Amino acid sequence: GAVVSQHPSRVICKSGTSVKIECRSLDFQATTMFWYRQFPKKSLMLMATSNEGSKATYEQGVEKDKFLINHASLTLSTLTVTSAHPEDSSFYICSASAGGYNEQFFGPGTRLTVL
Amino acid sequence: GEDVEQSLFLSVREGDSSVINCTYTDSSSTYLYWYKQEPGAGLQLLTYIFSNMDMKQDQRLTVLLNKKDKHLSLRIADTQTGDSAIYFCAETTSSASKIIFGSGTRLSIRP
Repeated sequence: GAVVSQHPSRVICKSGTSVKIECRSLDFQATTMFWYRQFPKKSLMLMATSNEGSKATYEQGVEKDKFLINHASLTLSTLTVTSAHPEDSSFYICSASAGGYNEQFFGPGTRLTVL
Repeated sequence: GEDVEQSLFLSVREGDSSVINCTYTDSSSTYLYWYKQEPGAGLQLLTYIFSNMDMKQDQRLTVLLNKKDKHLSLRIADTQTGDSAIYFCAETTSSASKIIFGSGTRLSIRP
């Protein structure tokens, strides 16, 4: 149980385009989803926390207009990187929780490369 | 503030025990975790320990917590090639509503 999927697993896009990444909880209802960014050989940086049906809470320094998060249902959250630039290239990982931040189940990640 | 630190690399011989160490600064930790990340993949929760526990054992994994020194360790007995991965130490605290990760320790296994 507690499986979280992400789609796509890998995406390459041109600078200036927008990219949408989906995060789904496959066998449980996720009241809260989290989006992380991982730089090479670095730790995971929490970008934002989203609760179903409400606006996401962004961490300090994360541009909410740049990284749009939607959590429209209990099984799906999306992260849209708008007007992507090469510095947005990274590994994006989502996690989902049915009961708070203590127990999070992680997706397999999405590798974004912006040319 | 919250800070979790780990050494970046560890190399062990196949069959030996691996010990990965972690220190943290926030004394209000509630849960402490060990996650495993294989190349190109997300994080897999290996084990976790409540902050009021000293030790937890689960098959080949042993977690030791020294609250006084704010030190957490993960011991992997009989290390195998499949244990090669990055291991992240993490914590949640009563003050921060999020999981705080260390920078990860890359474990490599030599024959």
